[in-house]
Amino acid sequence: EDKVVQSPLSLVVHEGDTVTLNCSYEVTNFRSLLWYKQEKKAPTFLFMLTSSGIEKKSGRLSSILDKKELFSILNITATQTGDSAIYLCAPNRDDKIIFGKGTRLHILP
Amino acid sequence: NAGVMQNPRHLVRRRGQEARLRCSPMKGHSHVYWYRQLPEEGLKFMVYLQKENIIDESGMPKERFSAEFPKEGPSILRIQQVVRGDSAAYFCASSPGQGRKETQYFGPGTRLLVL
Repeated sequence: EDKVVQSPLSLVVHEGDTVTLNCSYEVTNFRSLLWYKQEKKAPTFLFMLTSSGIEKKSGRLSSILDKKELFSILNITATQTGDSAIYLCAPNRDDKIIFGKGTRLHILP
Repeated sequence: NAGVMQNPRHLVRRRGQEARLRCSPMKGHSHVYWYRQLPEEGLKFMVYLQKENIIDESGMPKERFSAEFPKEGPSILRIQQVVRGDSAAYFCASSPGQGRKETQYFGPGTRLLVL
């Protein structure tokens, strides 16, 4: 059975801190791993990772995938209150995305 | 360029009624996916459709739920004889055709409340 485990489930930090969100997965026919940010509405796409060891960056966010260890992390540096959201890890298999329960991140001003 | 559109944004139904949720994919996208998000839970895949075809409905409950994506018009998720447990946010996502199917773009969701 496909499994996606995100940790921590929730996290509260102060503005300016750096956070690391973790995602481990067991998915058959793995194709890629996606990260989404969900605020009060729809998830918005952040990254798609297909190869191990290649870091993807977008501003203060970065992510990397380890296909051997079945693991991915999402880093956010110099956090801002606007980063408060649920971050969803989503391995993709055969065009079906399996979502984790997410990490609920709250940034205190 | 409009994103994925869903309507209604909020829907209230009484037990036993029918709910119809609509999704218009992004322009140029031919793949549509429906997900359900229960309170405090992650997104759960329901069904994957291309125009006039259901590709994968392994996440759909066996009864009362159906989905279609006709040649013309939006994709429809239909829930017959709703029960309280159907209360959830239903998200639709779309993706382009060949080569970039993995990147799904989500609509704003329809929040269904069953009284």
